[in-house]
Amino acid sequence: DTAVSQTPKYLVTQMGNDKSIKCEQNLGHDTMYWYKQDSKKFLKIMFSYNNKELIINETVPNRFSPKSPDKAHLNLHINSLELGDSAVYFCASSAFRADYYNEQFFGPGTRLTVL
Amino acid sequence: AQSVTQPDIHITVSEGASLELRCNYSYGATPYLFWYVQSPGQGLQLLLKYFSGDTLVQGIKGFEAEFKRSQSSFNLRKPSVHWSDAAEYFCAVGERNTDKLIFGTGTRLQVFP
Repeated sequence: DTAVSQTPKYLVTQMGNDKSIKCEQNLGHDTMYWYKQDSKKFLKIMFSYNNKELIINETVPNRFSPKSPDKAHLNLHINSLELGDSAVYFCASSAFRADYYNEQFFGPGTRLTVL
Repeated sequence: AQSVTQPDIHITVSEGASLELRCNYSYGATPYLFWYVQSPGQGLQLLLKYFSGDTLVQGIKGFEAEFKRSQSSFNLRKPSVHWSDAAEYFCAVGERNTDKLIFGTGTRLQVFP
């Protein structure tokens, strides 16, 4: 009955490879997000999608491409991986009500290590 | 621009001692404020949140936080710390219209027996 799940939990890969991280939520939420937590633990939003439509894109390199096949899924595809992409990536989701702050629920994170 | 500052990178307390973690924010309107905890190797768990109303909010695990508009602060407190409270604590402000969370840099709490 996991609310927000991510796969894989750990991902180790070589520089230059392409990889994907998957996120699924079973909360019936309309909005999903990706956050990056770097080696200094700093958390920063990357993207958000509302009903499969891109809402936020925080000047992330275009090697990163989020894909939302339906509103329960938001996958993150990364091309040509670089050492600096090593981080923990968190997925989150929230309901959507206009004129209201919609609380986010976080997944367990995916630790990506680029060698 | 909106920002969140957590002045203390690392705090060490003895078990049973009281705790206060500081958080200051910069935001143009009434903020939505949050405290999250991240245990080692784990995801983010919401401890408490402030949207409006009573400025002293109670959260899970015995934590509370007080919103002080005049000081732009939202400090987290606990009267008696347990060893299991050792973790990374993040303060965040939620941006209206986008629901984007802007996080502080975190405070690492270490608890000694």
